[in-house]
Amino acid sequence: QVQLVESGGGLVKPGGSLRLSCAASGFAFHNYYMSWVRQAPGKGLEWVSYISHSGNAVYYADSVKGRFTISRDNSKKSLYLQMNSLRAGDTAVYYCARDGYCSGGACYWGFDSWGQGILVTVSS
Amino acid sequence: DIQMTQSPSTLSASVGDRVTITCRASQTISDWLAWYQQKPGKAPNLLIYKVSTLEDGVPSRFSGSGSGTEFTLTISSLQPDDFATYYCQQFNTFSRTFGQGTKVEIK
Repeated sequence: QVQLVESGGGLVKPGGSLRLSCAASGFAFHNYYMSWVRQAPGKGLEWVSYISHSGNAVYYADSVKGRFTISRDNSKKSLYLQMNSLRAGDTAVYYCARDGYCSGGACYWGFDSWGQGILVTVSS
Repeated sequence: DIQMTQSPSTLSASVGDRVTITCRASQTISDWLAWYQQKPGKAPNLLIYKVSTLEDGVPSRFSGSGSGTEFTLTISSLQPDDFATYYCQQFNTFSRTFGQGTKVEIK
C-alpha cells in the first residue's frame, strides 16, 4: 500500500536549519509530483512547496521562498525539504503529500496520500 | 497568487442534516478543485477532486459542484463520523492554495 513517512523534525533555534525527509513506498514514486504542506498549531493547512516528478520544476509559497529548498531522489524514493533561516512562524506539523501525476496527455491532481506529519518547533 | 475563501468558518449541525460548504476562488480555476476532511491529530483525507469526482472509498453522501470561481461541498445527510474540518484546495496553479477551513460541529 502507499506509504509516506516523514523524518527529521524537532526543536531548532531561530535562524537555524533543519532537513526533513519523506520516504515513499508502495507506488511508482518517480511518476508522481510531490508537495510539502504544513499546519501551525490550531491553524489551517498551508501549502509550502511543490516539485515535479523529475525534479526539474519547483515552486514555493511566498512565506518560505528563499529560505526553503525542496528536492527529491527518485532512486531512493525520497523527498526532502531543506529549511534554513527558520523563524518562530515556521513552527508547524509538516506533511509530505503525493500531489498528482500526468499520463497520456492528462493530469490528475489531488493530495491522495499523506504522511503522518512531523513536528518542527522553532524556539529559543 | 490565487486566494481561496471558504464559508462559513464554523458550522453547527445535527446528525441527518444536509450541510453545504462554499469555496470561492479569487480568479477562475477551471475545474481544478479538491476537498479534504481532517480530524484532530490526523493528516487530511482527500474526499473529492476535479470539483465533483469522489475519491475511492468516500461515501456517496459527499458531493461537490461548481465551476469557475464558486464551488460547494455538500453532505446530504450528516453522520457522526463527519464532524471534522473541511478544506478546499485549488490546483489551477502550482501554488496549491488551501481555503482557511470550515469546522463542522455538533449542534
